[in-house]
Amino acid sequence: AQTVTQSQPEMSVQEAETVTLSCTYDTSENNYYLFWYKQPPSRQMILVIRQEAYKQQNATENRFSVNFQKAAKSFSLKISDSQLGDTAMYFCASNYNQGGKLIFGQGTELSVKP
Amino acid sequence: ETGVTQTPRHLVMGMTNKKSLKCEQHLGHNAMYWYKQSAKKPLELMFVYSLEERVENNSVPSRFSPECPNSSHLFLHLHTLQPEDSALYLCASSQEDSLNYGYTFGSGTRLTVV
Repeated sequence: AQTVTQSQPEMSVQEAETVTLSCTYDTSENNYYLFWYKQPPSRQMILVIRQEAYKQQNATENRFSVNFQKAAKSFSLKISDSQLGDTAMYFCASNYNQGGKLIFGQGTELSVKP
Repeated sequence: ETGVTQTPRHLVMGMTNKKSLKCEQHLGHNAMYWYKQSAKKPLELMFVYSLEERVENNSVPSRFSPECPNSSHLFLHLHTLQPEDSALYLCASSQEDSLNYGYTFGSGTRLTVV
């Protein structure tokens, strides 16, 4: 079975500092996408960033960037200049082959402290 | 609103009640999903509908009954639930032939079974 694993249930960071959330996955597919979703207390799951597996270049969206290590099957999320509004649950996810079905990790609860 | 609307936001029901959760998407997507999110657990995929056909049912108890009357609407009918069914129920939609877009989620229904 394909799996996505987040080994950090909780993390905290000081405002304006940088934090990295870890994610590993397991698949034998060649064509897939990786995602990070944010779920703030409002419960709305919001797409933060996506990465195409066949692209070498790491995706970046403003203060959010990923470190994609395909051989190691690792997909970490780096948040720079952390803001109080970044406080949320963060889920790593991947879809495999056809159909687009997403497999989610267990989530990491991030707290940004003032 | 993100294009996926779930109602109600909160629901409290007794174990003998019958209720329904509703999800509506305005994005023209062709696949819709029900997920269960319990505290401290990964998101659990319950049902997948593709082009209004149920394509996946992950061993969900029969007290949960999905319905997809058209590509824009998805229901989850509930009856004789158990207290352990209390959770956040998330609906999502996607375009199946576009792996790279991931899902768009609704805000969820917080269900409490008493």
